[in-house]
Amino acid sequence: QKEVEQDPGPLSVPEGAIVSLNCTYSNSAFQYFMWYRQYSRKGPELLMYTYSSGNKEDGRFTAQVDKSSKYISLFIRDSQPSDSATYLCAMSAPGGQNFVFGPGTRLSVLP
Amino acid sequence: EPEVTQTPSHQVTQMGQEVILRCVPISNHLYFYWYRQILGQKVEFLVSFYNNEISEKSEIFDDQFSVERPDGSNFTLKIRSTKLEDSAMYFCASIRDDEKLFFGSGTQLSVL
Repeated sequence: QKEVEQDPGPLSVPEGAIVSLNCTYSNSAFQYFMWYRQYSRKGPELLMYTYSSGNKEDGRFTAQVDKSSKYISLFIRDSQPSDSATYLCAMSAPGGQNFVFGPGTRLSVLP
Repeated sequence: EPEVTQTPSHQVTQMGQEVILRCVPISNHLYFYWYRQILGQKVEFLVSFYNNEISEKSEIFDDQFSVERPDGSNFTLKIRSTKLEDSAMYFCASIRDDEKLFFGSGTQLSVL
């Protein structure tokens, strides 16, 4: 079983749709969870950061962590064509130096 | 807004040549990283660096790779003898102590 799994997509949605992106993981020691947005041939850009379980909202973005299910989600409301990118989940354990990334989901928001 | 900067943005080299990729992490950050991403594949951890020494490295980071922080601002990745399979995007990243990892824009390395 891979340490972090993520549906690679591609995922295509119409502008204005709600997008749901998900990752599952196997290491119960992970406590820090992040979502990154990566445009083609650019560096990953930190979008959301959460510690342990719960929800966090920032504008059109909501991150959810369910540690009991080892499942994290990113919701994008009112999606825009500019949201078209690859979305990476990442996670780490306390005291650990190694951030583990999912393979990324490629999202296209069609105008 | 402070950012991680990387130079060069593109590097083309011949197989067997040495390359040095350069990074300037965010100034008050303490932990520094190199990741790589082969085209169309996932971001892979190479090495982490703290307090002037390697704190963790992956199996990718073999004897051909080395890192250095030669002064208070630069953080470099050296590949001693490049191979075709080293062609990838190399990202530098840094954190302070809050686990928020910030990436540079990357160096695209092409080995011919």
